[in-house]
Amino acid sequence: DAGVIQSPRHEVTEMGQEVTLRCKPISGHDYLFWYRQTMMRGLELLIYFNNNVPIDDSGMPEDRFSAKMPNASFSTLKIQPSEPRDSAVYFCASKDKNQPQHFGDGTRLSIL
Amino acid sequence: AQKVTQAQTEISVVEKEDVTLDCVYETRDTTYYLFWYKQPPSGELVFLIRRNSFDEQNEISGRYSWNFQKSTSSFNFTITASQVVDSAVYFCALSEASDYKLSFGAGTTVTVRA
Repeated sequence: DAGVIQSPRHEVTEMGQEVTLRCKPISGHDYLFWYRQTMMRGLELLIYFNNNVPIDDSGMPEDRFSAKMPNASFSTLKIQPSEPRDSAVYFCASKDKNQPQHFGDGTRLSIL
Repeated sequence: AQKVTQAQTEISVVEKEDVTLDCVYETRDTTYYLFWYKQPPSGELVFLIRRNSFDEQNEISGRYSWNFQKSTSSFNFTITASQVVDSAVYFCALSEASDYKLSFGAGTTVTVRA
């Protein structure tokens, strides 16, 4: 079975632009998580969904960040407008109730 | 609030040496899960093991072994006869049964020299 698929793998954009990160979870998994990894803060949870419904978004840094899960096979994380401090690696992970989280390869985001 | 501490920032060993990574956790829940993930230089996060709070049996998988001790709130990881391919950042993580959110430690960078 395919793993968690994230796109793009790398994104470089200028400050102020909208950024959209995409994630396709493992088929059949009903939980989806977005994490951010930075040198300063390590790996931190931004938001997670259960059955396409956001359960906890307390980790979303500010209103510039938004996440959606329109169906069981797709989620997006948007940053608008982007700022240089948003530069990080963003990971998506999915799981079903009895399994550990499995992570995608991440999106390396650079905001200039 | 739950917390995971990996006190070792970096460990450097010569190939074939054993290396033990420490992980200490804090939680108020009686039901929780502990994990180890590996992040090789290529950047992906690879699941290694999950343990629930009611299972204190140690586990061995090939050259990897894990020691879970509730009395000291520790979940340590040992790589036996290390190899260059073991060079990576290793993360310990905790989730409480109620919500599945992972709280990660800061990670330990392991460098295995040939």
